[in-house]
Amino acid sequence: DVKVTQSSRYLVKRTGEKVFLECVQDMDHENMFWYRQDPGLGLRLIYFSYDVKMKEKGDIPEGYSVSREKKERFSLILESASTNQTSMYLCASSTRQVLNEKLFFGSGTQLSVL
Amino acid sequence: QQQVKQSPQSLIVQKGGISIINCAYENTAFDYFPWYQQFPGKGPALLIAIRPDVSEKKEGRFTISFNKSAKQFSLHIMDSQPGDSATYFCAASTMVADKLIFGTGTRLQVFP
Repeated sequence: DVKVTQSSRYLVKRTGEKVFLECVQDMDHENMFWYRQDPGLGLRLIYFSYDVKMKEKGDIPEGYSVSREKKERFSLILESASTNQTSMYLCASSTRQVLNEKLFFGSGTQLSVL
Repeated sequence: QQQVKQSPQSLIVQKGGISIINCAYENTAFDYFPWYQQFPGKGPALLIAIRPDVSEKKEGRFTISFNKSAKQFSLHIMDSQPGDSATYFCAASTMVADKLIFGTGTRLQVFP
């Protein structure tokens, strides 16, 4: 089974801090995604990547950046955390051949910005 | 035009009953409609999906009904069980597109 591992289950940070959320997948998937999940708003795409060193903006990229230096690892960066970035962050991956057919999600990181 | 509207936001069903969750879309280019199931503390997982060349797809107790003319699709859970209690997300995309558009989610609670 595909495993998508997110480095932290819970994270508490202060306003203005630089925050790194890490995601690793073990199935050699080309595509990786970062979503945030908020009650009543569903899953919203922040950034995605088709390949190493490639990135594309999703629907809500403002205040975020990403890094993909290795195929298995996709990092989400909050340059200067703000309280409105308190949320559940979900990483996902999929194969190139079936881009959207099946996403494999990690268990999420609940980030609180105080 | 990119939105997928999902209802209801929450649903309470008695064990053995039928759970029905509805989704509507505007973009007629969408041609892939999956449903994801998320248990507390876990990420969403693909449950069942349909393409618009069929009007219904059934997998065990889970059925997707698809109405292309109305631009609506729904998830039916027959003989609902407490173990079905989870949040359900509908989604839509085109097979050549680069992302899934998710609905806002429905929290289903099934009581014994």
